[in-house]
Amino acid sequence: EDQVTQSPEALRLQEGESSSLNCSYTVSGLRGLFWYRQDPGKGPEFLFTLYSAGEEKEKERLKATLTKKESFLHITAPKPEDSATYLCAVQAGTGRRALTFGSGTRLQVQP
Amino acid sequence: NAGVTQTPKFQVLKTGQSMTLQCAQDMNHEYMSWYRQDPGMGLRLIHYSVGAGITDQGEVPNGYNVSRSTTEDFPLRLLSAAPSQTSVYFCASSPRPPRTVRIGTGELFFGEGSRLTVL
Repeated sequence: EDQVTQSPEALRLQEGESSSLNCSYTVSGLRGLFWYRQDPGKGPEFLFTLYSAGEEKEKERLKATLTKKESFLHITAPKPEDSATYLCAVQAGTGRRALTFGSGTRLQVQP
Repeated sequence: NAGVTQTPKFQVLKTGQSMTLQCAQDMNHEYMSWYRQDPGMGLRLIHYSVGAGITDQGEVPNGYNVSRSTTEDFPLRLLSAAPSQTSVYFCASSPRPPRTVRIGTGELFFGEGSRLTVL
């Protein structure tokens, strides 16, 4: 059974204080690992796809990295507008297109 | 640019009532799916469709029905609502991926959600 565990559950940072969110996974043949951002009362919004260990993707203050067991979402010099819940999901290489999601990390960036 | 549109945004039902959550997308996406989101549990897949006339069960299908008669629409039916179905429901779609490239299969476009309370 595919599993995704995200930590911490919640994280409070001061503006400019860099940190990382963790996503640990077990999956039958990773087809892709995905990061989403979710604002309160909204649907998740796609951020990144990572396919293989060693791969990195960047977007503004966010950088996602991937190893064989986990992924990190690094947030550099965050701003209050980065406050959101960040979701990690994996897709197994079994042919199904379904994603298995983690429960998310709720990030709050204080000015 | 509507994207994925879900209706209603909020609904209160009594136990045993039935209802349909509507989902429509205007991006000509092949793949559509329904997830439910509960506190501390992450998004869980209910049903999905890879094209008109084709549907399949996800992780938590019991108590729900779907159909896909057109590319655009993917309604979710609650047959006899139970308090355990109190949740936020999200519809999501994605385009058909190119055959030789792995992109697109996990890049889901989500609606804004339908919050359902069953009393």
